[in-house]
Amino acid sequence: EAGVAQSPRYKIIEKRQSVAFWCNPISGHATLYWYQQILGQGPKLLIQFQNNGVVDDSQLPKDRFSAERLKGVDSTLKIQPAKLEDSAVYLCASRAGGQETQYFGPGTRLLVL
Amino acid sequence: AQKITQTQPGMFVQEKEAVTLDCTYDTSDPSYGLFWYKQPSSGEMIFLIYQGSYDQQNATEGRYSLNFQKARKSANLVISASQLGDSAMYFCAMREGNRAGNQFYFGTGTSLTVIP
Repeated sequence: EAGVAQSPRYKIIEKRQSVAFWCNPISGHATLYWYQQILGQGPKLLIQFQNNGVVDDSQLPKDRFSAERLKGVDSTLKIQPAKLEDSAVYLCASRAGGQETQYFGPGTRLLVL
Repeated sequence: AQKITQTQPGMFVQEKEAVTLDCTYDTSDPSYGLFWYKQPSSGEMIFLIYQGSYDQQNATEGRYSLNFQKARKSANLVISASQLGDSAMYFCAMREGNRAGNQFYFGTGTSLTVIP
């Protein structure tokens, strides 16, 4: 069974530019999560999808971050415009219905200069 | 207040010895879940073990066991017979609530180094 896929693995941009990350969850997993992990900290949940609907985005900075999961499968997370403090690893995770375990992708390391 | 507290920034253990990584949590919700994840230098989060708030027995998965003390709100991870490959960051996490849209919280992590 293929794991959670994310791309790109690394991205370097200048502040005020925009960037997008892509995630493809494990096949059949209805729930998808995006996390932000700043260096030296634990992951922070940004947004949670159930199929193609948002169930929680209370921690998403909506003035610059957006996310979608249009067909209930893969998802994109966008930052526009980026700030220096957005430098972090962005982790995507998925979970099957009725199960507890989230499975994580390898992450996208973003550096904003 | 922090939802998850890991007070050990770094730990060292001799190969083949056991080690305990501490985790305390804070919630008033009667239904919650506790998780431990391992994050090697490659960056991927690897699920290790899960304990539900209503589970009567401590969870075990191979060399990993979770010492769940509900009254003290602690969920320590015990790794037995440490191996060199266990060197990594370890994160304790909590799922609060049992409904869709429940929140997940991670601690700040403990860096474990296994010494040959």
